Amino acid sequence: DIVMTQSPDSLAVSLGERATINCKSSQSVLKSSNNQNYLAWFQQKSGQPPKLLIYWAFTRESGVSDRFSGSGSGTDFTLTISSLQAEDVAVYYCQQYYSDPLTFGGGTKVEIK
Amino acid sequence: EVQLVESGGGLVQPGGSLRLSCAASGFNFGTYWMHWVRQVPGKGLVWVSGVHSDENSAIYADSVKGRFTVSRDNAKNTLSLQMNSLRAEDTALYYCSRSSGWIFGLWGRGTLVTVSS
Repeated sequence: DIVMTQSPDSLAVSLGERATINCKSSQSVLKSSNNQNYLAWFQQKSGQPPKLLIYWAFTRESGVSDRFSGSGSGTDFTLTISSLQAEDVAVYYCQQYYSDPLTFGGGTKVEIK
Repeated sequence: EVQLVESGGGLVQPGGSLRLSCAASGFNFGTYWMHWVRQVPGKGLVWVSGVHSDENSAIYADSVKGRFTVSRDNAKNTLSLQMNSLRAEDTALYYCSRSSGWIFGLWGRGTLVTVSS
């Protein structure tokens, strides 16, 4: 199984500042046949289901603010919120869809400082 | 409206059974993989099971293999999860999710399963 490890577990960022979340997979999720990273990011606000933000490591889902960006390749990935807004308070998860079983990171809680 | 609505959760004793359902609407259900993902309140997301659009191919997490069975009825736009031999550790909010190539793009609001005596 591919283990997804996120860091930090939580972070507090001032409004308008940058938030950076890291995700590391126990093996590469880059498929050589199509040069795609099988990595997605989700946002989950309190009391709500998860919401897809980014897939293929850096492709933003339709309607998602361009404050959110994804980067990385292979085993190391980053979700960046460029200018934190109050509505971005949530738990963020990475997930690999390279192989079964599909696995999520443990989550990173983002709060306002 | 494109949506997924789960139902069937509740309180069940250890060793008991429960059947969850997910009603899909607003999209062509029969062309997507569908999945169950669970979450213990306050904890992380755990994928449980998925079923191919053709109704025949299913995959499971090791923790539920042999106890849970996923199925779908494309004619009724419904996804199901039959859960047998339930354990306390199966207690969670169960989400239904639609995927495109295993990318979970649409989620329901979940149904809560509590396994307790």
